[in-house]
Amino acid sequence: AQRVTQPEKLLSVFKGAPVELKCNYSYSGSPELFWYVQYSRQRLQLLLRHISRESIKGFTADLNKGETSFHLKKPFAQEEDSAMYYCALLYGGATNKLIFGTGTLLAVQP
Amino acid sequence: NAGVTQTPKFQVLKTGQSMTLQCAQDMNHNSMYWYRQDPGMGLRLIYYSASEGTTDKGEVPNGYNVSRLNKREFSLRLESAAPSQTSVYFCASRGYSGSHYNEQFFGPGTRLTVL
Repeated sequence: AQRVTQPEKLLSVFKGAPVELKCNYSYSGSPELFWYVQYSRQRLQLLLRHISRESIKGFTADLNKGETSFHLKKPFAQEEDSAMYYCALLYGGATNKLIFGTGTLLAVQP
Repeated sequence: NAGVTQTPKFQVLKTGQSMTLQCAQDMNHNSMYWYRQDPGMGLRLIYYSASEGTTDKGEVPNGYNVSRLNKREFSLRLESAAPSQTSVYFCASRGYSGSHYNEQFFGPGTRLTVL
């Protein structure tokens, strides 16, 4: 069965430090992975998707099929990056369902 | 465009009461979803609707029912609320929309407390 694992509930870093939020997945098919972000008291919004290979707000994520990972990285954290981050895997064929990890709260200290 | 809207924003129920959470989207999307968000558990899919007139169970459907009233609206009903249903409920929609391929758009959430 499909599964998404985010091992860290909380990641606390200082402003300017590098950030890596870990995500591992288990899926028998060809994976399509996403990172969603939820700022305080706001709705979830898509941060980036692996197929786009883009950088959004300085964040990047590379799909590593060998390690079944999709870690989110940013070289220099900003205070405004503080939020809850969810890794998600698309499954279910045409039904296009998402399964989410349990989330990592990123706290960037000044 | 308002995107995905949800009502109410907050609700307190007593055990055994019923209520319906409303969701609407104005993006002409085919697929709609209901999730619940609980601390330490992330978001879990309750029900989804791949298109108007169809609904299917997700990971945690017990205690809930849904109605896809039309293409815009997808409601979630709790027939007899239980404290275990205390959660934040999110509605989402998905459709082919330019560059937003396979992106789900989320509503602001409904914070439900069952006493």
